[in-house]
Parts: sequence; structure tokens; C-alpha cells
Amino acid sequence: NAGVTQTPKFRILKIGQSMTLQCTQDMNHNYMYWYRQDPGMGLKLIYYSVGAGITDKGEVPNGYNVSRSTTEDFPLRLELAAPSQTSVYFCASSYSGFNGYTFGSGTRLTVV
Amino acid sequence: KNQVEQSPQSLIILEGKNCTLQCNYTVSPFSNLRWYKQDTGRGPVSLTIMTFSENTKSNGRYTATLDADTKQSSLHITASQLSDSASYICVLASSGGYNKLIFGAGTRLAVHP
Repeated sequence: NAGVTQTPKFRILKIGQSMTLQCTQDMNHNYMYWYRQDPGMGLKLIYYSVGAGITDKGEVPNGYNVSRSTTEDFPLRLELAAPSQTSVYFCASSYSGFNGYTFGSGTRLTVV
Repeated sequence: KNQVEQSPQSLIILEGKNCTLQCNYTVSPFSNLRWYKQDTGRGPVSLTIMTFSENTKSNGRYTATLDADTKQSSLHITASQLSDSASYICVLASSGGYNKLIFGAGTRLAVHP
């Protein structure tokens, strides 16, 4: 049982480049989330999804996009990378949103 | 203004000693309060989840307490081990909607031999 799998683990982007952070869960969870973690700060919610075909903005959605075509996958898209998007990104899933979350191991992104 | 404040920011203790981490919050109302452990380079892992009506919850050597009157929670670690070295994050789940989680910045604990 893999849980929540994120790829890649590390990435360096140049300003203006685009990329997709992948997230897959095998627990049949309805709820999935994307967070970013900046040094010395609490995790901030970027986007979330309560089921396939349904997504909504979190606290810090600007510069990002998501899609949820299947229950398992919840990719995060950065269209025009900016230095302010340098961060560690975590994907998480939950059965109902009120239960505990399962987090992936993170993607460390640096934009130069 | 931070809605979840944790203290201390960092802490060093010797192996075998006990320690207590603090969490003060202003989030109200909330449905539950969670403590997570985050090892370096890994995602957070849930330790405890308490509803607003509970005042204590244990998970092995970890015991979380909640005082809704003073809006404080603590995480007590007993007989610390080297593997307890990690960041410990206090998280509040707000009531209603999609159960929004509000994360504290964490306390970084180092356990030395």
C-alpha cells in the first residue's frame, strides 16, 4: 500500500518555465489537497478537491492550476514559474476531510 | 495575525528526558485539533486528533491535552528517543465547509544522546 506518492522529489526551474507536480493516492480517498510549506511558516492550502471533477481554491491559489479527472490523481500545474514559488509542496488525501490526512513525502521546488 | 502559535520554536533535550510542546490558538469555533510529526524531508504524519470536547488523547509516548477555556494545547513526549527528533506541528480544523486546516509553524525538537 503506497499511500500518497509525489513526483518529482526535487526540481529546479528557470523563471517563466512550466511544470506539473504529480500526486497519486491508492487509498480511494475522496478528498485531496495541495499545500506549500515555506521556511518558518505553517503549511498553506493551494487547492483542494472533494472528488473527481471537483476542485476549488485554497488560501494561496495564484500562479497554480489543478485538475481531478480520476479519484487517484491530483496534479498541480505551475504555468509561469516565479521565484516566489520556491517552496516545498505537499500533496495530501483524506477519506472524508474530517479524518486524518495522509501526506506525500513532498516536492522541493527551486525557481531561479 | 497567526491563528495558531507554537512554542518554543526549537528545543534540544537529552535522550530519555520528557518534554512538553505548547500550542496557543485563536481559531473559533473548530471541529478538532491535531498534532503532526514531520521528519526532515518527509511529509507530516498524524499523531493525535482531538475534538473540542476531548481534553486528552494519547498515542504511545505522545500525549496531547486540550484546554478549550484557555485555548491551549500541549504535546507531552515521555522518555524521548533519538527518533523523536523532528518538527511537531499543531493544526486546527475549522468548523464547517471543507474542514479547513490551519497549521502552526511547528516546534523543531532535537534529541541528543
